[in-house]
Amino acid sequence: EMQLVESGGGLVQPGGSLRLSCAASGFTFSSYAMSWVRQAPGKGLEWVSSISGSGGSTYYADSVKGRFTISRDNSKNTLYLHMNSLRAEDTAVYYCAKVRNYRDAFDIWGQGTMVTVSS
Amino acid sequence: EIVMTQSPATLSVSPGERATLSCRASQSVSSNLAWYQQKPGQAPRLLIYGASTRATGIPARFSGSGSGTEFTLTISSLQSEDFAVYHCQQYNNWLALTFGGGTKVEIK
Repeated sequence: EMQLVESGGGLVQPGGSLRLSCAASGFTFSSYAMSWVRQAPGKGLEWVSSISGSGGSTYYADSVKGRFTISRDNSKNTLYLHMNSLRAEDTAVYYCAKVRNYRDAFDIWGQGTMVTVSS
Repeated sequence: EIVMTQSPATLSVSPGERATLSCRASQSVSSNLAWYQQKPGQAPRLLIYGASTRATGIPARFSGSGSGTEFTLTISSLQSEDFAVYHCQQYNNWLALTFGGGTKVEIK
């Protein structure tokens, strides 16, 4: 069974940093692009970032460009999101998601991890 | 950025009735359109990709149609487990993936 499990969320002060992790199992991790999607409380879904299977290509939403960094360790089947200079508006549940095929929809989602940015 | 607009924001439907949800793109996304279902406290689940192809395990009562800028998700006969929020997403522009604001399907 394909599964994604996020971790690393929590409470952080404005301007602080946090690293999210997403452990993958049940599929050949290195063969698929992966993404992060977030959802602020009571709001819709917002794409945050994507990374190719090799890690050689990365993509970011304008709202996080220059502050967040996506990466992956294919030897550990793990996806990361390094978040710096956090703002109140970054408060959200962060989901990792597997891309179904090349530049395709997201077919597998993790359960999400909550990030709260507040003093 | 391609703006995705979903309508209506809320749809009140009785069990067994048909539900029709709309998603409009601000520019053509070809058939690179997905629909997701999200229940309270849960992650989204892929229903439809390629505008009209059901994902693995999705019941036949869910169908998608459209191309270019106008898309529709139809649930032919609503079951109790179908009351949820539905999101559309374009993946034609991979540099800026975007979602619609969602349609909540509630019990009438």
